[in-house]
Amino acid sequence: QTVVTQEPSLTVSPGGTVTLTCAPSTGAVTSGNNPHWFQQKPGQAPRALIYTTSKKYSWTPARFSGSLLGGKAALTLSGVQPEDEAEYYCLLSYGGAWVFGGGTELTVL
Amino acid sequence: QVQLQESGPGLVKPSETLSLTCTVSGGSISSPYWWSWIRQSPGKGLEWIGEMSHTGRPNYNPSLKSRVTMSIDTSKTHFSLTLTSVTAADTAVYYCARNWDSWGQGTLATVSS
Repeated sequence: QTVVTQEPSLTVSPGGTVTLTCAPSTGAVTSGNNPHWFQQKPGQAPRALIYTTSKKYSWTPARFSGSLLGGKAALTLSGVQPEDEAEYYCLLSYGGAWVFGGGTELTVL
Repeated sequence: QVQLQESGPGLVKPSETLSLTCTVSGGSISSPYWWSWIRQSPGKGLEWIGEMSHTGRPNYNPSLKSRVTMSIDTSKTHFSLTLTSVTAADTAVYYCARNWDSWGQGTLATVSS
């Protein structure tokens, strides 16, 4: 089964820009993997941010954007806010099965 | 605005069966969505357990497939998860979700004697 790897932790300054990536153990991420991104804060359920690589939900702040970058799925936060400190998970589809990445702990400092 | 609410026994003994229910309100469970179960062990990441279409077609995580059954009850507006032969490794917060955009708040299931 495919393993999906994310950076375990990243630190960014308020107002800065940071890119989180999502890489499968085999092959490159394509739009066919239907990448999703979620944000999870302590004690809360995950909240969907991005679907189908780059599409935003109505509640997704404009500073979040999704893309494909060098064979990986990527989530970029531009103009980071203190409230963006959270765990972020990617999710990829593999022929009827879904695989979550291990998560990235984002610190805003 | 659809709302999802998980419910279950809270505590299950090793080797027994865990049964969870996700109750859907504010939307029809018969609508063309995929309904998923996800779990998160304490301090760990998210793990996809499986999903079911509104017509009852399932997809399961290969690593759990032999122990998982999902069902959907359109008349009662809920869908269910059954996990057999549980061990301490199955202790987790279990979430249900609709098409990934709507999630329940989760329910903790602890496996312990």
